[in-house]
Amino acid sequence: IAGITQAPTSQILAAGRRMTLRCTQDMRHNAMYWYRQDLGLGLRLIHYSNTAGTTGKGEVPDGYSVSRANTDDFPLTLASAVPSQTSVYFCASSSGDSNYGYTFGSGTRLTVV
Amino acid sequence: GQNIDQPTEMTATEGAIVQINCTYQTSGFNGLFWYQQHAGEAPTFLSYNVLDGLEEKGRFSSFLSRSKGYSYLLLKELQMKDSASYLCAVMDSNYQLIWGAGTKLIIKP
Repeated sequence: IAGITQAPTSQILAAGRRMTLRCTQDMRHNAMYWYRQDLGLGLRLIHYSNTAGTTGKGEVPDGYSVSRANTDDFPLTLASAVPSQTSVYFCASSSGDSNYGYTFGSGTRLTVV
Repeated sequence: GQNIDQPTEMTATEGAIVQINCTYQTSGFNGLFWYQQHAGEAPTFLSYNVLDGLEEKGRFSSFLSRSKGYSYLLLKELQMKDSASYLCAVMDSNYQLIWGAGTKLIIKP
């Protein structure tokens, strides 16, 4: 089934630990995005990539890094997790055709303790 | 700054009609999107408006007025499964989506 796969589904992480959230899509979409969603704040863009080999910073990039070595994969890394990074993380992709919007993965619920 | 406003929560009755409003102020405009998000799930695309007017898709319709910075999502013949959050998002001049905080819609029998 075409779509976006995120892993893990949920994770409890000790503060200070390093963590990589995985995101893979099989739709050959050029653009990919990482968002965090917190109650009352809506979706906030962390990092994005318009095409393989390029990345850009979103609204809340601090403490996060990304890479885009190929079209399909867009991992998000927390170098040293802090409790304020407790959130639900969504990966999304877009073909560039606005009539279809963004396609989202099922999300990763991360708790930093 | 960029801002998207929508009500935090609305309640409606099964079988009725509900209108969810969204107002926006963004740097540039390249279209407005509505998404549906059930609790604990990912957002799913509902509609896209780039020109003024009404777009109808079955029970759901979305309206846009660019001069007023205003959109609404109209849901007809409400069903219990329509209980969800509805997210308004605007694509700005950099082709990035700016998101509202979402409207939680509660449907009562």
